Order: sequence, then C-alpha cells, then structure tokens
Amino acid sequence: GESVGLHLPTLSVQEGDNSIINCAYSNSASDYFIWYKQESGKGPQFIIDIRSNMDKRQGQRVTVLLNKTVKHLSLQIAATQPGDSAVYFCAEIPAGGTSYGKLTFGQGTILTVHP
Amino acid sequence: EAEVAQSPRYKITEKSQAVAFWCDPISGHATLYWYRQILGQGPELLVQFQDESVVDDSQLPKDRFSAERLKGVDSTLKIQPAELGDSAMYLCASRSPAKAFFGQGTRLTVV
Repeated sequence: GESVGLHLPTLSVQEGDNSIINCAYSNSASDYFIWYKQESGKGPQFIIDIRSNMDKRQGQRVTVLLNKTVKHLSLQIAATQPGDSAVYFCAEIPAGGTSYGKLTFGQGTILTVHP
Repeated sequence: EAEVAQSPRYKITEKSQAVAFWCDPISGHATLYWYRQILGQGPELLVQFQDESVVDDSQLPKDRFSAERLKGVDSTLKIQPAELGDSAMYLCASRSPAKAFFGQGTRLTVV
C-alpha cells in the first residue's frame, strides 16, 4: 500500500554539525511534500515544503532535496543547534487518485543535538 | 501569524464517558484534518474534511467516534464511549491549498 517511511529512527549530532534526515516514499502520485518538527507535547510545526516539480528548496538553515527517481526525500539542517532537538516527520500529499489531498506521515526521526 | 486553535489542551476522562475536542482552523482554509498520535509514532489520519463535507473517514472508528464541520469552519471530534486505548494526542490541521498547519493538540488520557 501507499506509505511514507524513514530510513533512520534516531540521529545524534554535535552542536554545529550538519544534520541529514532521510525519508522514502512510495506513492508516485504525490505532488507535495512537507517536513515537520515536533517537540515533546506539541503539535507538528511546519518547517519547509517542496513540490514534485522541484529538486531542491532552501529555507533558513534548512534544505529539502527531492529525488523522484528513487522516491527519496531528505532534510538538511545546517549548523545544528540544541534547539533543533525534536522528532522530524516527512509527509506527502497526493495530487490524484483515491488519496487525493490526504496528508500522510512517516514514523519520524528523533534528532538529538549534543552541546 | 494565524494559527490552528484547539481546545482543550489536556483532558482526563473515565472510560465509558463521552469526550469532545474542538478545532478552529486558519481562516480561509477549506481542508481540515483530524489525526490521532500515539506516543512514539507518527500522526494517523482519522478524518479529512473539504469545507463541510467528509472526504475521507475510512480510519475513523465510527462505532464510537464522530466528527462534524457543520458550517465548513470549526470542527468537533467526539468519542463516546471512551476506551483506555483512546489515550493519545488528537491533532487538528488545516490546509489551503498547499501548506498544512497543525494546532497544539489535545492530550487525552482515559482512566
């Protein structure tokens, strides 16, 4: 069935390092991808999005890369800070089919940043 | 900055009781979602609205859960009767037409 999954469930980095969080998706009809950050006890916070007609999009300290050939998505965080420690989820929204408009999440990656 | 509002933030209820959660989406957002998130897992879709119409409620346990969005704006999710296994975070999100934003959620504990 359709799914969005993550390669690495946990990631530990040192403050100042760059972090890369990966995500695999299986629905080739997905048109839109979003990365969320979720801190303990809070709702998911929108970080950055990318449409399927793009390969790369940059924000403030974050970059999302989309490889449609292998159905892979990644989130790069530059100069990771302790405040970046959280669970990161990728999510997809199909543009058509029976799941049109359905926002589907992966299991998440726990990012821990050590001072 | 506009936000998705949810209430209450926390709710403790006894099993077999009824409980309701409220969500006010960002103004103008036609699509509204309710999710359930168990600790350590990703959010799972319960119901998706487009304006006042249900688009997808295939994962909603309809014997005890109900959701409505009567005027296509705010929405209510109800559980009756609550069971111990319903303890989770209930999240509301809205989208129009691209970015989807979440509220802070309601943490439900059934005792």
